[in-house]
Amino acid sequence: AQTVTQSQPEMSVQEAETVTLSCTYDTSESDYYLFWYKQPPSRQMILVIRQEAYKQQNATENRFSVNFQKAAKSFSLKISDSQLGDAAMYFCAAFIIQGAQKLVFGQGTRLTINP
Amino acid sequence: NAGVTQTPKFQVLKTGQSMTLQCAQDMNHEYMSWYRQDPGMGLRLIHYSVGAGITDQGEVPNGYNVSRSTTEDFPLRLLSAAPSQTSVYFCASESPLSTEAFFGQGTRLTVV
Repeated sequence: AQTVTQSQPEMSVQEAETVTLSCTYDTSESDYYLFWYKQPPSRQMILVIRQEAYKQQNATENRFSVNFQKAAKSFSLKISDSQLGDAAMYFCAAFIIQGAQKLVFGQGTRLTINP
Repeated sequence: NAGVTQTPKFQVLKTGQSMTLQCAQDMNHEYMSWYRQDPGMGLRLIHYSVGAGITDQGEVPNGYNVSRSTTEDFPLRLLSAAPSQTSVYFCASESPLSTEAFFGQGTRLTVV
């Protein structure tokens, strides 16, 4: 079974600083996608960034980047120049291509931005 | 483009009542799924479907039924509501090309 683990229930960072959210996953499959989703108080799920497992290069979207360590099964999210609007729940997720295709989520990390 | 439409947004049920959460998508996605979100547990998969007529159980299927008669619709049925089913429910559909999941706005369900 695939599992995704976020070991940090809560994180906080000063505005304009950099913060890293951790995520580890477990799968025996070789073909999968990894995601970070943001959930603001509005409850809407918003895709932040996506990483294909076959790509060695870390994905980047503006102030958001990932550190994808395939051998260690680690997928952390780095937010640079944190802004008040970044405050939200962040979920790491994995989608396995082979077999039963399921999108599996981690427990979530609540990020607070201190002004 | 409506995306994923999920109704209702809020619902209060009495223990033992049944109800159906509706989910419709207009993106012609084959893959659809239902999740429940509880504090400290993230989103847990209830049921999913890889196409019309095909459904399968996720991590927490007990107490819920689904069917997929069309590509567009994927309703979730609570057969006999229990307080343990108090949660926020999300429907999602997924693009096979990008594997990006598109979520509905969620339903906050309270069972008293």
